[in-house]
Amino acid sequence: DAGVIQSPRHEVTEMGQEVTLRCKPISGHDYLFWYRQTMMRGLELLIYFNNNVPIDDSGMPEDRFSAKMPNASFSTLKIQPSEPRDSAVYFCASSSLGGGARGTQYFGPGTRLTVL
Amino acid sequence: DQQVKQNSPSLSVQEGRISILNCDYTNSMFDYFLWYKKYPAEGPTFLISISSIKDKNEDGRFTVFLNKSAKHLSLHIVPSQPGDSAVYFCAASVGTSGTYKYIFGTGTRLKVLA
Repeated sequence: DAGVIQSPRHEVTEMGQEVTLRCKPISGHDYLFWYRQTMMRGLELLIYFNNNVPIDDSGMPEDRFSAKMPNASFSTLKIQPSEPRDSAVYFCASSSLGGGARGTQYFGPGTRLTVL
Repeated sequence: DQQVKQNSPSLSVQEGRISILNCDYTNSMFDYFLWYKKYPAEGPTFLISISSIKDKNEDGRFTVFLNKSAKHLSLHIVPSQPGDSAVYFCAASVGTSGTYKYIFGTGTRLKVLA
């Protein structure tokens, strides 16, 4: 299996622009998570889906952030408009409760976002 | 408010010695704990976990200890190797039927010196 795939790996954009991050989870996994990593706050959970349905979006920082999962093999995280404080590494992870051990989460390589 | 805290941002240890990484949590409802390891430019990878019904779990060179009364867990690596140099994240979760999520700490950067 290719693991969790994220694109792009790096994104540099200017303040005010729209940014879309993409994720393909591991086939057969029914949970998908979006995280943001910063030095100050570590790994923060933004939102997670179960069977393509958003379950908990309490970590989404504000209305500028939105996430969708139109099907079991694709999810997007959109920031519009982007701001410099959104600069961080964004990770996508997937898991399956059927995998045991409370469903180990498998992370993608991340997207490093820089907003100038 | 950080529910999972890793108060040491970095740690250096000599090769062959023991590395001890610490983690504190505030939510007494957490019932499952994990450690993830992260190398630069890669995503975190699962290392070891422990359920709240246990106080120790061992996997090769890695052992996790849980002290529920102190709301504290630790990861011991013995012996430490240069390839263990990475950022280690502690995470906790609480399970309610059908849903769960992990709360991660801020990470501890371990450097194992050859």
